[in-house]
Amino acid sequence: AQKVTQAQTEISVVEKEDVTLDCVYETRDTTYYLFWYKQPPSGELVFLIRRNSFDEQNEISGRYSWNFQKSTSSFNFTITASQVVDSAVYFCALSPPMNRDDKIIFGKGTRLHILP
Amino acid sequence: EAQVTQNPRYLITVTGKKLTVTCSQNMNHEYMSWYRQDPGLGLRQIYYSMNVEATDKGDVPEGYKVSRKEKRNFPLILESPSPNQTSLYFCASSLNGRYNSPLHFGNGTRLTVT
Repeated sequence: AQKVTQAQTEISVVEKEDVTLDCVYETRDTTYYLFWYKQPPSGELVFLIRRNSFDEQNEISGRYSWNFQKSTSSFNFTITASQVVDSAVYFCALSPPMNRDDKIIFGKGTRLHILP
Repeated sequence: EAQVTQNPRYLITVTGKKLTVTCSQNMNHEYMSWYRQDPGLGLRQIYYSMNVEATDKGDVPEGYKVSRKEKRNFPLILESPSPNQTSLYFCASSLNGRYNSPLHFGNGTRLTVT
């Protein structure tokens, strides 16, 4: 069965601190895709990043970075020098290979509070 | 502007009164889906559609109907709403319906059934 676990339900950090959001997944597929989405207080869901299972390079985009480790089935998200605008709920998601009709599996989300 | 448009943003209704939440995308996406978001439960899929006239049940389809008569529209119908359908609903679409493309979400519809 496929599963995504975001063990941190809620995290609070002070502005400018670094913070890492954990995402652990389970799948029997060798090909799959991982995603992160952000849901700010305004409510919309915004795509942040996609990673396929054959690309284990870490990704950096400004203050955001993602660490994909197949050996530990993790796809963690780090925000460096956090800002109040980073306050949001963050969802990790797993999707199956292209030749399957299985559903995208979302984690339950991590609510991140950045305190000024 | 490429977007998924849901209406209404907020809806308060009474038990049993049929309602429709509309969803439209202007990106020529094949795949569309409805999710509901509830505290502690994350996002749960209600129905999805791989293309026109092709719809399938998600994880929580009971009490909902959908249709996909045109590529751009994917309305969610609650024939007889009940209080346990009070939730935040999201429509989403993606390019090829095979899950390697990211989902684009609408702004959400907050539904309250009294």
